[in-house]
Amino acid sequence: DGGITQSPKYLFRKEGQNVTLSCEQNLNHDAMYWYRQDPGQGLRLIYYSQIVNDFQKGDIAEGYSVSREKKESFPLTVTSAQKNPTAFYLCASSTTGWNSNQPQHFGDGTRLSIL
Amino acid sequence: AQSVTQLDSHVSVSEGTPVLLRCNYSSSYSPSLFWYVQHPNKGLQLLLKYTSAATLVKGINGFEAEFKKSETSFHLTKPSAHMSDAAEYFCVVTEGNAGNMLTFGGGTRLMVKP
Repeated sequence: DGGITQSPKYLFRKEGQNVTLSCEQNLNHDAMYWYRQDPGQGLRLIYYSQIVNDFQKGDIAEGYSVSREKKESFPLTVTSAQKNPTAFYLCASSTTGWNSNQPQHFGDGTRLSIL
Repeated sequence: AQSVTQLDSHVSVSEGTPVLLRCNYSSSYSPSLFWYVQHPNKGLQLLLKYTSAATLVKGINGFEAEFKKSETSFHLTKPSAHMSDAAEYFCVVTEGNAGNMLTFGGGTRLMVKP
């Protein structure tokens, strides 16, 4: 079955440490997205990529970095500059194009906590 | 600019009774609208979408929503709630010039009592 795989499901970070969250999709989608979800809140966009080797900052990109070297993969690094990283992180993908009514498909998320 | 307001942060119903989750949107262009459901510690699953075709949209698990342009609303309904419907629901909007960028409502937590 096609889908989006996020790993690990749970991740712990020590102070001053960078951690990388994995996101892989086999849906042949061009666009991929990273969101942050805090308790009781909606999703906020961190970064997105519409095509390989290109990505754009979302609403809350500070303290995060991404790469898009392959169509299938869009890893997110939470750097030590992100002072409040504890959250639920969701990766999504979609087809792109001028007609933007295509829904995004989501992975099952990674929960990041501070030790 | 686009925005979404989910009017209730929590809704509680009894099993077998109707469900109504309210959503109002603001959009400068012809919007596309979605409802997603999220179970605990899971990703978001698409329930249904409106993309300027029929205004009454049927989705999975017996849910449906009606697009009302005059009221700028896209409320989600289900005739009879099931225990498995207990989850967080998100109303989402995107505009034709937004390049598939989504704007999320704050979510509504649906609780279903036996």
